[in-house]
Amino acid sequence: EAGVAQSPRYKIIEKRQSVAFWCNPISGHATLYWYQQILGQGPKLLIQFQNNGVVDDSQLPKDRFSAERLKGVDSTLKIQPAKLEDSAVYLCASSSPEDSRSNYGYTFGSGTRLTVV
Amino acid sequence: AQSVTQLGSHVSVSEGALVLLRCNYSSSVPPYLFWYVQYPNQGLQLLLKYTTGATLVKGINGFEAEFKKSETSFHLTKPSAHMSDAAEYFCAVSANTNAGKSTFGDGTTLTVKP
Repeated sequence: EAGVAQSPRYKIIEKRQSVAFWCNPISGHATLYWYQQILGQGPKLLIQFQNNGVVDDSQLPKDRFSAERLKGVDSTLKIQPAKLEDSAVYLCASSSPEDSRSNYGYTFGSGTRLTVV
Repeated sequence: AQSVTQLGSHVSVSEGALVLLRCNYSSSVPPYLFWYVQYPNQGLQLLLKYTTGATLVKGINGFEAEFKKSETSFHLTKPSAHMSDAAEYFCAVSANTNAGKSTFGDGTTLTVKP
């Protein structure tokens, strides 16, 4: 079974530029999450999708961050314009109801490391 | 509201020694608790979780954790460390079984010395 795919792996941009990250979840996983992990901290949930609908985006800075999952499969997270404090690893994860009930949970991608200079 | 405190940002043990990673939580509702491992340049992998029932939870790779309500703790242990256990470990708390909506601690980096 293929894992959660994310691209790019690394991205360096200047502040005030825009950037987009892509996530392809495990096939059949209805739930998709985006997290921000700042160096030295644990991941913080930005947004959760159930199929193509948003379940929770309470911690998404909506003035600059946006995310979509138009067909309920792939998802894109965008930052426009980027700030220095957006430097972090952006993780995507997906789960199915069966996975979330098991002891072995849901699956993370390897993340995109963003550096804003 | 929920929060997690992981005591010790760095823990070093010798190969074969006991691993003990400490986690204390705060939750206004009965908590669901999780431990994750993150290897360099990889995403997080769920090691184990506590929802209800038995307070001693066994996970993958020989790890286990015990939920102690009176101490608001969920410490992670492994009887004998292996070099491959070197990684960063995160404790997380959630108000429900949806692991994706957890509040994470800041992590503990485990180093295993030969």
